[in-house]
Amino acid sequence: EVQLVESGGGLVKPGGSLRLSCAASGFTFGSYGMNWVRQAPGKGLEWVSSISRDRSEIYYADSVKGRFTISRDNAKNSLYLQMNSLRPEDTAVYYCARDDSGYYYFAYWGQGTLVTVSS
Amino acid sequence: NFMLTQPHSVSESPGKTVTISCTRSSGSVASNYVQWFQQRPGSSPTTLIYEDDQRPSGVPDRFSGSIDSSSNSASLTISGLKTEDEADYYCQSYDRSNHVVFGGGTKLTVL
Repeated sequence: EVQLVESGGGLVKPGGSLRLSCAASGFTFGSYGMNWVRQAPGKGLEWVSSISRDRSEIYYADSVKGRFTISRDNAKNSLYLQMNSLRPEDTAVYYCARDDSGYYYFAYWGQGTLVTVSS
Repeated sequence: NFMLTQPHSVSESPGKTVTISCTRSSGSVASNYVQWFQQRPGSSPTTLIYEDDQRPSGVPDRFSGSIDSSSNSASLTISGLKTEDEADYYCQSYDRSNHVVFGGGTKLTVL
């Protein structure tokens, strides 16, 4: 069974940093591109970043470019999101999602981890 | 970057058919695949449609997707509405720069 389990969320002050993790199981992690998608409280979905299976292609939303860094460790079946210079508007549930097609078909999603940026 | 515009909300009665539109602001809707997701309150999104009109296994054939180049839009049609279909629905696509965009979401009420 495919499982994606996010962790690392919490309360952080503006300007602070946080590192999210997504532990994958039930499939060959290194064979799939992965993504982070967030959802602010009561709002819609917003794509954050994507990384190809071999880390050769990485993309970011304009809203996080220069502040967030996506990475992966295929040996540890894990996806990461390093978030720096956090702002209140980064407050959201962060989901990791598996791309099953190379065309951003997010076939599997984790349960999400909540990040709250507040003083 | 482009935008995907969805109606904020739609409502229909059980057993009826509803269509949710998703209009792309720039670039051709036919150039990049469109996906549709369902999200129930307190849950993660799940995929209903991928690559414009493909249903993942396990998704009932009451759900169908299509694109219309003339209106530069995609549509999700749900037939035989059930109360359990009440949820938020999101369309999603991407561009040549590999930026992914979600529509603002449509709240479906089945009353």
